[in-house]
Amino acid sequence: GENVEQHPSTLSVQEGDSAVIKCTYSDSASNYFPWYKQELGKGPQLIIDIRSNVGEKKDQRIAVTLNKTAKHFSLHITETQPEDSAVYFCAASREYGGATNKLIFGTGTLLAVQP
Amino acid sequence: SAVISQKPSRDICQRGTSLTIQCQVDSQVTMMFWYRQQPGQSLTLIATANQGSEATYESGFVIDKFPISRPNLTFSTLTVSNMSPEDSSIYLCSVEELGRSYNEQFFGPGTRLTVL
Repeated sequence: GENVEQHPSTLSVQEGDSAVIKCTYSDSASNYFPWYKQELGKGPQLIIDIRSNVGEKKDQRIAVTLNKTAKHFSLHITETQPEDSAVYFCAASREYGGATNKLIFGTGTLLAVQP
Repeated sequence: SAVISQKPSRDICQRGTSLTIQCQVDSQVTMMFWYRQQPGQSLTLIATANQGSEATYESGFVIDKFPISRPNLTFSTLTVSNMSPEDSSIYLCSVEELGRSYNEQFFGPGTRLTVL
């Protein structure tokens, strides 16, 4: 079945450094790839997403890149701040016109930004 | 995006009992989903809540254990029936909003369930 692998499981960086989280998906028909941030005691928050018709998308300090040939996508956070500390989940799904398909989530990355 | 609330936010229940979790959205949404997040784990889809008809369950989840209702476009309930300690998890509802891109899902704050 569909599967999304996520690495690393934990990541510790110094404030101001960059953080990169990588995901690999198995379903070649996947074409929608969101990233969620989950803070302790809260629900996941959608922070950025990318569709397969683009290779990169940026939103201020966060960016996502997609390599469809290799079936992997990555989250990049620059100039990390302590408030970036959270668990990050990647996900993948197929998006058909007018139809909804389920999100397959990665296993999560616990990011700790050391002040 | 829509504001999603869940009740209760947390509960501690005895083995063998049932708990109904409510999900309320402040605007009409197209799709509503229920997920389970076991301690320290990722999110697993339980079912899609269909308005006015039976929910669509994922493999490994059955209606007798997780009955779901969705009487309108803004409200859904998930019941965890005949609970055991293995049901201790965070239960999350998510929605896809009218007018947004397909597959953009937004999550509620979750219900933290502990079964003794």
